[in-house]
Amino acid sequence: TQLLEQSPQFLSIQEGENLTVYCNSSSVFSSLQWYRQEPGEGPVLLVTVVTGGEVKKLKRLTFQFGDARKDSSLHITAAQPGDTGLYLCAGAGNNDMRFGAGTRLTVKP
Amino acid sequence: EPEVTQTPSHQVTQMGQEVILRCVPISNHLYFYWYRQILGQKVEFLVSFYNNEISEKSEIFDDQFSVERPDGSNFTLKIRSTKLEDSAMYFCASSEALAGREAFFGQGTRLTVV
Repeated sequence: TQLLEQSPQFLSIQEGENLTVYCNSSSVFSSLQWYRQEPGEGPVLLVTVVTGGEVKKLKRLTFQFGDARKDSSLHITAAQPGDTGLYLCAGAGNNDMRFGAGTRLTVKP
Repeated sequence: EPEVTQTPSHQVTQMGQEVILRCVPISNHLYFYWYRQILGQKVEFLVSFYNNEISEKSEIFDDQFSVERPDGSNFTLKIRSTKLEDSAMYFCASSEALAGREAFFGQGTRLTVV
């Protein structure tokens, strides 16, 4: 079983601050996905990273895949209250995709 | 925009009863998945399905669970004899090509076993 550890588990910051959340594993993944989940809803796909060292930007969000394809980070610049939510990473194996426990982000106005 | 749809949104059932959760994946997708999320806990992989057979299943997916694609559009999860601990949100997901990559999720079915 490929285990994904996300840190921090909880993060509470003020509007305008920058933050980085991490997703780490001892396993190598063919790809890694980042999702955002709101209470009572399904995860919504934000980005997929495939190549080691890859960096993808989505407005104020920057995603990086580690060189060894075992870890990833999500950096948010100038966080806004609308960024509040649960951020999940998920690593793809041969026939499945397993999630980390998530980072619950709260951005206070 | 194409989306994964799940029905019902909420199901209440008595312990020991059978339930069938239904999903309509995105039409051109080839891989289908079921996940479970107990309240306040992580999203847990149950099973993946491709080419009309199970590709992979987790340790959670024991003999009381089964999946089926009865026709060209539906993908179902059956729980044969529900237990209290089966209460959770169940999410269906589908992906277009490569297994385990870029899966799109439905809104989930909240199953409550009483």
